[in-house]
Amino acid sequence: EVQLVQSGAEVKKPGESLRISCKGSGYNFTSYWISWVRQTPGKGLEWMGKIDPSDSYSNYSPSLQGHVTISVDKSTSTAYLQWSSLKASDSATYYCTRSLFEYSSSPDLYWGQGTLVTVSS
Amino acid sequence: EIVLTQSPATLSLSPGERATLSCRASQSVSSYLAWYQQKPGQAPRLLIYDASNRVTGIPARFSGSGSGTDFTLTISSLEPEDFAVYYCQQRTNWPPYTFGQGTKLEIK
Repeated sequence: EVQLVQSGAEVKKPGESLRISCKGSGYNFTSYWISWVRQTPGKGLEWMGKIDPSDSYSNYSPSLQGHVTISVDKSTSTAYLQWSSLKASDSATYYCTRSLFEYSSSPDLYWGQGTLVTVSS
Repeated sequence: EIVLTQSPATLSLSPGERATLSCRASQSVSSYLAWYQQKPGQAPRLLIYDASNRVTGIPARFSGSGSGTDFTLTISSLEPEDFAVYYCQQRTNWPPYTFGQGTKLEIK
């Protein structure tokens, strides 16, 4: 059974750093792209970026380029989303996803349970 | 960036009725459009990909159509569990893979 299990909720202050994780199991981790999607009550669903776990090649939404970093650790089948300096506007629920097929533009069939990030002073 | 506009924002129907949800793209996305269903407290669930292909396990009452800029998700006869929020997403070759703002399907 394919599973994506994300790390728990976080409460941070503006300017702090953060890394959240997503551990894949039940499939060949390096064969399928991992994406990150965030959801806020006001802005709905927003695609953030994706990574090819086989070689760590990544693409980002232009609006988030430079603000977040997506990475993977193949040895533990874990993907990460990290910030070096959080803003209040980063408060959201973050989902990791796995593509339906192995090609990069394939839609997202599997979703993690979500990680709630709250950034507040 | 490709903008997806979904209509209506809210659709009020009764079980057994037919639901027609629309998604319009600001430029052609060919057939690279997906539909997701989201229920409160849950992650989105992929229903349809490449405009008209139903994911394995999705009931046959869900169907998708369209190409280019205009797409439709049809639920032929609503079941109680179908009342949720539906999102379209374009998956052209170059990101960002934008989502529509969603259509809330509510019980009338």
